[in-house]
Amino acid sequence: EVQLLESGGGLVQPGGSLRLSCAGSGFTFRNFAMNWVRQAPGKGLEWVSVISGTGYSTSYADSVKGRFTISRDNSKNTLYLQMNSLRAEDTAVYYCAKQYDTSGFEDWGQGTLITVSS
Amino acid sequence: NFMLTQPHSVSESPGKTVTISCTRSSGSIARNYVQWYLQRPGSAPTTIIFENNQRPSGVPDRFSGSIDSSSNSASLTISGLKTEDEADYYCQSYHNTMVVFGGGTKLTVL
Repeated sequence: EVQLLESGGGLVQPGGSLRLSCAGSGFTFRNFAMNWVRQAPGKGLEWVSVISGTGYSTSYADSVKGRFTISRDNSKNTLYLQMNSLRAEDTAVYYCAKQYDTSGFEDWGQGTLITVSS
Repeated sequence: NFMLTQPHSVSESPGKTVTISCTRSSGSIARNYVQWYLQRPGSAPTTIIFENNQRPSGVPDRFSGSIDSSSNSASLTISGLKTEDEADYYCQSYHNTMVVFGGGTKLTVL
């Protein structure tokens, strides 16, 4: 059974930094691209970033480009999201999601809440 | 970039059939696969349709997906509605490597 377990959420002040982790199990982690998707309170889903299975290729939403960095450690089966220069509008539940080979998200974590507030 | 537009809400009675649309603003709907996700309140999304019309294992065949080039839209059809189908539904596609989500549709089964 595929499991994705996010951690690292919490309260952070505007301008601060936070690193999220997502531990994957039940599948060959290095074989799959991984994504971060977020959802602000009461709002819809917003894609944040994707990283290839090797980690060599990444892409970001314009809203986080230059502030967030996605990475992975395949030896630890773990995905990361380093978030810097956080803003109030980054407040959301952040989900990690395992990508299908071709298109879309096959599996989702349970999410971790980030609150950016002073 | 393009947008995916969904109705804000739909409602239907148990046992009936409902269709949720997802219209692509520019570029052909057939250019990139469309996925559909279901999200119940307080829970993570789950995948119910991928590659336009494929169901992951465990998803009932009451759920079906399609695309229509004439309307440049994708559709999610749920037949034999159950109260447990009440949830938010999101369509999703791609613009190059960028992921695009629809705004979501709240389905009420009453």
